[in-house]
Amino acid sequence: DADVTQTPRNRITKTGKRIMLECSQTKGHDRMYWYRQDPGLGLRLIYYSFDVKDINKGEISDGYSVSRQAQAKFSLSLESAIPNQTALYFCATAGKNTGELFFGEGSRLTVL
Amino acid sequence: QKEVEQNSGPLSVPEGAIASLNCTYSDRVSQSFFWYRQYSGKSPELIMSIYSNGDKEDGRFTAQLNKASQYVSLLIRDSQPSDSATYLCAVMRSGNTGKLIFGQGTTLQVKP
Repeated sequence: DADVTQTPRNRITKTGKRIMLECSQTKGHDRMYWYRQDPGLGLRLIYYSFDVKDINKGEISDGYSVSRQAQAKFSLSLESAIPNQTALYFCATAGKNTGELFFGEGSRLTVL
Repeated sequence: QKEVEQNSGPLSVPEGAIASLNCTYSDRVSQSFFWYRQYSGKSPELIMSIYSNGDKEDGRFTAQLNKASQYVSLLIRDSQPSDSATYLCAVMRSGNTGKLIFGQGTTLQVKP
């Protein structure tokens, strides 16, 4: 089983719908991240969390919210999806004092 | 200006040549620098990290850092077709911020 698991892997939805992407990890890491990837734009940081009580905005947090339900779980929500949120979303984890991120397999979201 | 900038490429080199990938960053307080490799359809994975000015070698890979010029590079010697991938530069600020910012990535094509 993967150390960092994302669900769903693929999702097609309509404009205005609420969407939740979930991430769980078995690595025991404190830090968890959500990034989105668009062609030609690399990975852009949406939110990151150091522990259950510590949530931080990234580069592009508008239109997104997150919840750290437990050390091992970090979910990303789109309250009202719009087409320009169509992207590949990655969850990642990291231990303390390190920039080595371990990525999930990605969740491809299409908003029509 | 983006915090981390890379030439998106594609960079095409013949098999056996040296591939040189470059990255510049805007925040002078950045302290930690990373190179991730992402194969098509896969998640990024860490291949090199560098924290001090100078060169750091690991097998066929050499990372170079020049903080005065705010420049970090990755050299791949004896390039192989299996090195064909997108290479992402990532930067973390000083202190234990945990905020890792990526460039847009450079696509490398190694032709047999």
